Amino acid sequence: QVQLVESGGGVVQPGRSLRLSCAASGFSFNNYDMHWVRQAPGKGLEWVAVIWTDGSNKYYADSVKGRFTISRDNSKNTLFLEIDSLRVEDTGVYYCARAEDFWTDYWGQGTLVTVSS
Amino acid sequence: DIVMTQTPLSSPVTLGQPASISCRSSQSLVHKDGNTYLSWLHQRPGQPPRLLIYKVSNRFSGVPDRISGSGAGTDFTLKISRVEAEDVGVYFCMQGTRLPNTFGQGTKLEIQ
Repeated sequence: QVQLVESGGGVVQPGRSLRLSCAASGFSFNNYDMHWVRQAPGKGLEWVAVIWTDGSNKYYADSVKGRFTISRDNSKNTLFLEIDSLRVEDTGVYYCARAEDFWTDYWGQGTLVTVSS
Repeated sequence: DIVMTQTPLSSPVTLGQPASISCRSSQSLVHKDGNTYLSWLHQRPGQPPRLLIYKVSNRFSGVPDRISGSGAGTDFTLKISRVEAEDVGVYFCMQGTRLPNTFGQGTKLEIQ
């Protein structure tokens, strides 16, 4: 069965960096585009970024452009999100999600990032 | 960016009664390939979102047929014919037609 397991979250000071990972299993990872979506505490869902199957194209929300980098390692079935210059407003749960065509069909459990001094 | 607006934001319902959620987009969601990429997700407390409906009206695997989606262009609706206890939580519409993908604010379904 499809499984997505995020890791790498934690409590981080403003201005620091963090690398989130999403380990995929149960499907051919290299055949699917992958998304990151975040959710601030008690708030709605915010799309963050998408990467195409071979990593050739990446798109970002304006709110994270220049600070976030999405990448993938198809040999290790893993998706990454590098976050630089963390801000308090980056606090939230970060989900990876599989893209089936132009919708997201499976989501991971999420990893919590807390930015606080 | 396409703005997705859901109504109502909160919906108290009685078990066994129907429920309906509306989602309106600021632009048409018809893709250049002719498809409309509007999906609905459900998030229970403390859980990740899970897909219910894709391409306006297609139920995802395991979704009961008392849950249905409809609409076209800019106006879409999610309907639950008979609400059950497992339906509580927040429902989000999401457009995948254009980047950036965008979500509605969420509608909280509560049992009254």
